[in-house]
Amino acid sequence: GENVEQHPSTLSVQEGDSAVIKCTYSDSASNYFPWYKQELGKRPQLIIDIRSNVGEKKDQRIAVTLNKTAKHFSLHITETQPEDSAVYFCAASTAGTASKLTFGTGTRLQVTL
Amino acid sequence: DAGVTQSPTHLIKTRGQQVTLRCSPISGHKSVSWYQQVLGQGPQFIFQYYEKEERGRGNFPDRFSARQFPNYSSELNVNALLLGDSALYLCASRPRGVLNTEAFFGQGTRLTVV
Repeated sequence: GENVEQHPSTLSVQEGDSAVIKCTYSDSASNYFPWYKQELGKRPQLIIDIRSNVGEKKDQRIAVTLNKTAKHFSLHITETQPEDSAVYFCAASTAGTASKLTFGTGTRLQVTL
Repeated sequence: DAGVTQSPTHLIKTRGQQVTLRCSPISGHKSVSWYQQVLGQGPQFIFQYYEKEERGRGNFPDRFSARQFPNYSSELNVNALLLGDSALYLCASRPRGVLNTEAFFGQGTRLTVV
């Protein structure tokens, strides 16, 4: 089955700096890659997603890149703010009737003043 | 529009007991999935239901079962609870079961087994 690895497990950046979180996946059939932000005690919330027919997607300060050949995808957050502090999860999914999400192990991002 | 709602929000059970968790998807969503999130880890897929049929099952023992009702709400049942079943149980709904679309998560049920 699919396996998703995520690095780093913790990331500390200063406010205004950029943060990058990287994930790799194993199943070449995966074609949907969402990123979720989870604050302490709250539900995971989708912040951006990308499908395998595009290589990059941007939404204001957040961008995701996908390299299908290398089976890598990354989350880029620019101009980080304290409210960006949370745990971020990448996930991968294949099309089909059982389109489950396979999650990475999470990255705890701490944005310091 | 109401989001995905789960009940109860918190639950404490004793080893060996049985538990039923409930999920109401977003109106119009026909696909419901269940995930288990152990503290410090990413959510792990348990089940997916679409149009009241099981469409996927994760690597969980038979003590875990689920069903989806005609109104697309869902229940997750866990029998013979173990300490290791303590986790946040998340329900997610999607508009369709086949195509990859955003999964909307409920706030979860935090289950503690003592």
